[in-house]
Amino acid sequence: QQPVQSPQAVILREGEDAVINCSSSKALYSVHWYRQKHGEAPVFLMILLKGGEQKGHDKISASFNEKKQQSSLYLTASQLSYSGTYFCGTAVNNAGNMLTFGGGTRLMVKP
Amino acid sequence: NAGVTQTPKFQVLKTGQSMTLQCAQDMNHEYMSWYRQDPGMGLRLIHYSVGAGITDQGEVPNGYNVSRSTTEDFPLRLLSAAPSQTSVYFCASSYLSSTGSYGYTFGSGTRLTVV
Repeated sequence: QQPVQSPQAVILREGEDAVINCSSSKALYSVHWYRQKHGEAPVFLMILLKGGEQKGHDKISASFNEKKQQSSLYLTASQLSYSGTYFCGTAVNNAGNMLTFGGGTRLMVKP
Repeated sequence: NAGVTQTPKFQVLKTGQSMTLQCAQDMNHEYMSWYRQDPGMGLRLIHYSVGAGITDQGEVPNGYNVSRSTTEDFPLRLLSAAPSQTSVYFCASSYLSSTGSYGYTFGSGTRLTVV
């Protein structure tokens, strides 16, 4: 069963913040986040392993709540380049590296 | 390094035709997988491989075959194309590190239309 992402779409002005959520009904080993621009391949942002760690990448960070099987992606002071569709991918173990992707969150940043 | 290379980039097939989508990686990654992405949806796993000679089915394997004779190559075969297989196909590779799994590196995709 695929993870559920929310919101499905969000429109921001440059400089505003956004949070994208990913929720699974299964016990997770890891959560991956990707960004895909229109007509391009998904690009890896970060991976979070069970243990509740938080990671950061420039002004984009994420957290993983292992108890709730939820992950959130935080985009701070958004830039035009942040526009795209964000996907979370979840794995229930580290054997096989099979990811199940959410339906995506479309993010548009306007000047 | 080229990363993950997919060919062709675009393909139009007639219903019932067969074809092979090519995928090659030069990073010596153990894991390779095929996903399909339909409009407005996330990626769904078709088949995956954890090493040369080892493949397994993903979420939507029907109508597709794979093989992994070398670490580098992981072709996807459509046996008898159907309009429902119209989609964008992505190949990805990754390797399992001691700290967990790495993120995937995706190829640029193959846009397939079945008429």
